[in-house]
Amino acid sequence: NAGVMQNPRHLVRRRGQEARLRCSPMKGHSHVYWYRQLPEEGLKFMVYLQKENIIDESGMPKERFSAEFPKEGPSILRIQQVVRGDSAAYFCASSRLDDPTDTQYFGPGTRLTVL
Amino acid sequence: GQNIDQPTEMTATEGAIVQINCTYQTSGFNGLFWYQQHAGEAPTFLSYNVLDGLEEKGRFSSFLSRSKGYSYLLLKELQMKDSASYLCAVRAPYSGAGSYQLTFGKGTKLSVIP
Repeated sequence: NAGVMQNPRHLVRRRGQEARLRCSPMKGHSHVYWYRQLPEEGLKFMVYLQKENIIDESGMPKERFSAEFPKEGPSILRIQQVVRGDSAAYFCASSRLDDPTDTQYFGPGTRLTVL
Repeated sequence: GQNIDQPTEMTATEGAIVQINCTYQTSGFNGLFWYQQHAGEAPTFLSYNVLDGLEEKGRFSSFLSRSKGYSYLLLKELQMKDSASYLCAVRAPYSGAGSYQLTFGKGTKLSVIP
């Protein structure tokens, strides 16, 4: 029973480039969440998606960041024109529609380094 | 607003018992979660509390007092592999946006020594 999959695990970009982070939820999970973790900081919520819908993007910066969860394929977190401050670990989590506790299960994360 | 506090670091001896506390002040409450995170790895779900009281799961137990805004994670018979960060997270009530986002504390780094 595969868990949440994220790729790449490590990503290096130069300032001004684009970063694309992918997340495949656990089988049977229809809810996807993205979180960012800065060094010595807690996980910060960014965005919550269901298939083809952004439900809550209140934690996502208004500029340069976007997310999608298409009908087919993984969820994508896209960061345009990256800056050094975007260097962080980005975690994806998923949950099941019919889980009364709505527990979120996390992937291994993508560690983004901006040079 | 949301504020979650937990100690930054703790050290305990192999075989002992350790209690990691978490206090929260949030604008609403709809459940508290504990996760374990080894360095460089994914947070792993440990426990969930939504009602007051103690939830036991093997060597791990979690307690909640909603009136005090307080929870603790109890680890018994500590093993070296328990050395990790322990994250306390609170879920806000269902919002109009339909979000079940979690608000996390900064985590408690537990070191288990021989």
